[in-house]
This record gives sequence, C-alpha cells and structure tokens, in this order.
Amino acid sequence: DTGVSQDPRHKITKRGQNVTFRCDPISEHNRLYWYRQTLGQGPEFLTYFQNEAQLEKSRLLSDRFSAERPKGSFSTLEIQRTEQGDSAMYLCASSSQGGSNQPQHFGDGTRLSIL
Amino acid sequence: GDSVTQMEGPVTLSEEAFLTINCTYTATGYPSLFWYVQYPGEGLQLLLKATKADDKGSNKGFEATYRKETTSFHLEKGSVQVSDSAVYFCALSGSGSGAGSYQLTFGKGTKLSVIP
Repeated sequence: DTGVSQDPRHKITKRGQNVTFRCDPISEHNRLYWYRQTLGQGPEFLTYFQNEAQLEKSRLLSDRFSAERPKGSFSTLEIQRTEQGDSAMYLCASSSQGGSNQPQHFGDGTRLSIL
Repeated sequence: GDSVTQMEGPVTLSEEAFLTINCTYTATGYPSLFWYVQYPGEGLQLLLKATKADDKGSNKGFEATYRKETTSFHLEKGSVQVSDSAVYFCALSGSGSGAGSYQLTFGKGTKLSVIP
C-alpha cells in the first residue's frame, strides 16, 4: 500500500531564496491538501485541490505561496522570497471522493528551515 | 469560525494507566470528528473517527464518542503502553458547505509520555 509521499524530507535555505516541495498522493485519491505545522501547534490548512482544480485557499497563503496540481496527480508548493517565518513543517494529505467524513491520509512532511 | 480545544500537555502516565485526553469543538453545522496521532519524526496517522452524534470511533484500544450536546470528543484508553507515547491531535471537518468544508481544523495537540 503506497501512502502519501513528500519530497524532500528536509530543506535548508537562505532567506530570500525560492523553494519548491512535491507531494505524491495515494493514487486513487482525487483530493489533495496542503497544511503547515509550526512547533507545538496543530497543522493549519493552506489549500485544497479536487483533481487539478484549486478550490480553496487559506488567508495564510500569501502572494509568495503558489500551489499547483497540473494533471490531477502530484502537486507542488512553491514559496518565493522565503522569510524566517516560513520555517515550518509542510504537510500534504489526500483523500478519496465523498463527503467530509472521508479521512485524510498524511505524508511525513517537508521540514523547511530558513537561515 | 471553527475551532478545536484540547487539554494542555504534556501528559505523563505510567504503563497500564487509564488515559483521557479532552477535546471540545466549536463549529456550525454537523462536523465529522477525528483523532490523529503523530509519532516522533513521522506524519500524522488517523487513529479514529466519528461522523455523527453518538457515534463511537475505536481503534487499537482507543475510543472516543461524538457528544453533540457537550460538543466534545474525548479520547480514552483503558491501559496505555510505552508505545502509545506520541502527540495526539483532535480535528474536525465538514461543518460548513462548499469546498471549505473539507479542510481539517486541528487542536494544538497533546503530548503523551508513557513510562514503564
């Protein structure tokens, strides 16, 4: 059973650089979510895709953040001109079609550290 | 907006002790409720869920009952093991309508340490 895969696991970069993360969901899942988790906090919702359509964006997702899911399979999350406050764990999750009771399955996350 | 409140941690218990982690929520409509567990260095794993009032979710000896009248979803286990040491998150989804109802709203998490 292949779960949600995220790459890279860790990313260290200097402030001002651009970074891109990749998420590969469970193959039969058509919904994909991005969350951000800071130390000692629960994950916070960033954005959501159904197939290739981005249907919801949190106000946490500033103009420096962009997410894509071009063919309705894998997704990328890009952060431009990174800032110290972007340091966090970025989590991807996927779920199958159905109501909001469908559980979301999470990857192990990408930990971003801004120097 | 929606919110989830969990009891503050950390919680330290001896092996075989009884566990309760309190969770209450504020939401419009009828949300689905979840408990997720995060082991050190790993992503979140679904532990159990309940989708309507009076439903009981259970898994691996853990249980939680959806109490609409008290807006609560407390996590319980009768006898904890060292391997249960992790961070536990209560979450809800689906309280509204439209695309936004699919996102999960999480509590801050409760760290559990079980000592032999």
